[in-house]
Amino acid sequence: EVQLVESGGGLVQPGGSLRLSCAASGFTFSSYSMNWVRQAPGKGLEWVSYISSSSSTIYYADSVKGRFTISRDNAKNSLYLQMNSLRAEDTAVYYCARDENSSMFDYWGQGTLVTVSS
Amino acid sequence: EIVLTQSPATLSLSPGERATLSCRASQSVSSYLAWYQQKPGQAPRLLIYDASNRATGIPARFSGSGSGTDFTLTISSLEPEDFAVYYCQQRSNWPPGYTFGQGTKLEIK
Repeated sequence: EVQLVESGGGLVQPGGSLRLSCAASGFTFSSYSMNWVRQAPGKGLEWVSYISSSSSTIYYADSVKGRFTISRDNAKNSLYLQMNSLRAEDTAVYYCARDENSSMFDYWGQGTLVTVSS
Repeated sequence: EIVLTQSPATLSLSPGERATLSCRASQSVSSYLAWYQQKPGQAPRLLIYDASNRATGIPARFSGSGSGTDFTLTISSLEPEDFAVYYCQQRSNWPPGYTFGQGTKLEIK
């Protein structure tokens, strides 16, 4: 069974940093690209970042470019999102999602809440 | 940048009725369009990929159609568990990444 479990969310002050993790199991993690998708309270879904299976290709949404860094450790079956210079508008539930065929997200984690507030 | 516009924003129907949800792209996305269902407090679930293919375990009452710029998600006969928010999503070659529509809330009438 495919499982994605996010962790690392919490309350952080504006300008602060946070590192999210996503632990993957039930599939060959090193064979799949992965993504982070977020959802602000009461709002829709927003794609944040993509990383290919070998980490050779990385993309970011304009809203986080230069502040967030996606990475992965295939030996640990883990995906990460380093978030720096956090803003109030980064407050959201952050989901990791498996990428299938570079066209869709076929499995999602349960999400971790990040709250940016003083 | 490709923009996905979903309509209507809210759809009020009764169980047993047919639901038709629309997703329009600002430029052609070929058939690289997916649909997701999200219930309160839950992660999104993939329903349809490549415009018309049902994902694993998705009931046959869900179907997708369209290509180019106009896409439709149809639920043939609504079950109580189908009332949720639905999002369309596409892959963009430039700028590289993904885009979601703003969502359609399907509510019980």
